[in-house]
Amino acid sequence: QVQLVQSGAEVKKPGSSVKVSCKASGGTFSTYVINWVRQAPGQGLEWMGTIIPMFGTTNYAQNLQDRVSITADESTSTAYMELSSLRSEDTALYYCSLLQDYYMDVWGEGTTVTVSS
Amino acid sequence: DIQMTQSPSSLSASVGDRVTITCRASQSITTYLNWYQQKPGKAPKVLIYFASSLQSGVPSRFSGSGSGTDFTLTISSLQPEDFATYYCQQSYSTKFTFGPGTKVDVK
Repeated sequence: QVQLVQSGAEVKKPGSSVKVSCKASGGTFSTYVINWVRQAPGQGLEWMGTIIPMFGTTNYAQNLQDRVSITADESTSTAYMELSSLRSEDTALYYCSLLQDYYMDVWGEGTTVTVSS
Repeated sequence: DIQMTQSPSSLSASVGDRVTITCRASQSITTYLNWYQQKPGKAPKVLIYFASSLQSGVPSRFSGSGSGTDFTLTISSLQPEDFATYYCQQSYSTKFTFGPGTKVDVK
């Protein structure tokens, strides 16, 4: 069974960047389609973007595409989500998830990112 | 981007009630519609995919229907463990979008 383990909580200053990792185990990393989804406190789910490590292709939400970058390192089976120019509205729980037949089947435990001066 | 709406935004129900949540897409998404359940402090869990396919391990009291722009999630007999927030999500477009969620709480 595939498992996703995310990096620990981060506290960042406004205007800085954050990079969250998501390490996969139990499967063939290159075949995955990895999504990043975030959830602000008390709010709903927001899809941020997707990467297909096998092809190196990415797809980002329009409202974030200028600030988000999703990468993958096949040698360590790890995906990364970097968000730049952080503002208070980026305070959220950030999840990675695996796509299976067009639905998100496996989820990481989430990484809390707090943006505060 | 395809916009997703859900109604109601919240509802109060009792154990044993039949619960129906609706989801609407801003354009046809055929049956590329998934339903997730999320409990406080937990990651979402897929219940229904492709509008009506029940994910393995999910109780049969959950069902989904619809196609095109209008979809429904039904819980036939609400159980104590079903109090949670439910989200629809479209995967027709490669830019996925979620609905705003429906919170089901105790009446």
